[in-house]
Amino acid sequence: GAVVSQHPSWVICKSGTSVKIECRSLDFQATTMFWYRQFPKQSLMLMATSNEGSKATYEQGVEKDKFLINHASLTLSTLTVTSAHPEDSSFYICSASRSGRYTGELFFGEGSRLTVL
Amino acid sequence: GENVEQHPSTLSVQEGDSAVIKCTYSDSASNYFPWYKQELGKGPQLIIDIRSNVGEKKDQRIAVTLNKTAKHFSLHITETQPEDSAVYFCAVTGGTGFQKLVFGTGTRLLVSP
Repeated sequence: GAVVSQHPSWVICKSGTSVKIECRSLDFQATTMFWYRQFPKQSLMLMATSNEGSKATYEQGVEKDKFLINHASLTLSTLTVTSAHPEDSSFYICSASRSGRYTGELFFGEGSRLTVL
Repeated sequence: GENVEQHPSTLSVQEGDSAVIKCTYSDSASNYFPWYKQELGKGPQLIIDIRSNVGEKKDQRIAVTLNKTAKHFSLHITETQPEDSAVYFCAVTGGTGFQKLVFGTGTRLLVSP
């Protein structure tokens, strides 16, 4: 199967610091990765689409300078929450699609819970 | 853009009963309809999906039906078990939003022993 791994699974940080979350496709290459945010008891909201070797495409209302996305290789995308504040506390989830094989199927990571104090 | 509505928001059933969750969508060009199960503190897990050229798909106790004319699709779980308790999300993609999944609002399913 296709495995997507996220790290860290949870992180607690102080307000004003930056936090980096990694998303890796372990057994396949992913040209495109997606980052979602999920607040408690709510659905997943797409934040941005990350394409290998190019700039990420952000959804309306998502601050690109706040949420820095880097997709430097076909197996790794990172999300950096800069100058985090308590309102950034959320569950962040990534997903990936296989390169060269569009089926619509996405494989999700286990999520990273961010708590900003 | 695509709008996905999901009902009910919560569903409680007794073990062994069937559970049905329904989603409606707005973009008639959408062509891929997956269902995800999310357990507490974990990422979504694909449980079944269907494409627009198929009306029904079944995998053991789980089935999905699609009505493209009415723009709705449903998840059917038969012989429910306590381990089926989770939050279920429908999603839609294709059409004008290539690979961008739009999720429903989720259904919290509780299966009581």
